[in-house]
Amino acid sequence: DGGITQSPKYLFRKEGQNVTLSCEQNLNHDAMYWYRQDPGQGLRLIYYSQIVNDFQKGDIAEGYSVSREKKESFPLTVTSAQKNPTAFYLCASSMSDRTRTEAFFGQGTRLTVV
Amino acid sequence: AQSVAQPEDQVNVAEGNPLTVKCTYSVSGNPYLFWYVQYPNRGLQFLLKYITGDNLVKGSYGFEAEFNKSQTSFHLKKPSALVSDSALYFCAVRDKAGNTGKLIFGQGTTLQVKP
Repeated sequence: DGGITQSPKYLFRKEGQNVTLSCEQNLNHDAMYWYRQDPGQGLRLIYYSQIVNDFQKGDIAEGYSVSREKKESFPLTVTSAQKNPTAFYLCASSMSDRTRTEAFFGQGTRLTVV
Repeated sequence: AQSVAQPEDQVNVAEGNPLTVKCTYSVSGNPYLFWYVQYPNRGLQFLLKYITGDNLVKGSYGFEAEFNKSQTSFHLKKPSALVSDSALYFCAVRDKAGNTGKLIFGQGTTLQVKP
C-alpha cells in the first residue's frame, strides 16, 4: 500500500524539549517537504529536500532541523528554539518532475506543548 | 512574489445546489495550479490540477475547476453539492521560479454543505 506515513499522530512536548516527527514514503519520490499548518494561515513551508543528503530552508525554518539520509525518510526535529511549536505538521512528497506533478501528503502530526 | 488568494473564509451551500470555491493567483509566466481538500485532523488530498491545455479541468469526487487566464482565477466547482463535501479546501500554485517544487497555498476555504 503506497503512500506517506507520519508518526506519531499526536505528540506532546514539554517546554525546552526537542521532539522528532517521523515521515516515511514508499512512493520512490525524490522530493520531500515539511509544512506547518496553523488555523487561518494556510500551510507554510519549513524545509524541503530534493535529493538524498541535501535539504534547504523554507519560509519558517527557525527552530527546526531535518535530515535526509535515505530517500524514503525525512524526519523533522522541533527544537527548544522554536518558541511556538503547537501546530499541525504535514509531510509531503513529489516525483522528480516537481513542478508539474501533484504532491502527496501524509496524515499529519499534531504537536502540543504542555 | 508568487501568491494565491482565497477570498472567502467560508462558503455555505445547500445539498444538491451547485458550489463554487474561489481562488485567484499572482505568478509570473504560466501557472501550475492545484486544489486540495482536507478533512478534520487529516492530511491533504489532491483533487485536480491545471498544467496546460483545456481550461476546464475535471478531478476527483465530481469536482472541476475553470482556469481563467485573463482574470487570473482558478475556481473550484461542483454541479451538485453533497453533505460529505463539507471540508477545508486549499488552492495552491507551484513555485516555478526557483524550481524548488514547493507549493504555495492559499489560506483555505471552509465549505459547509447543509442538508
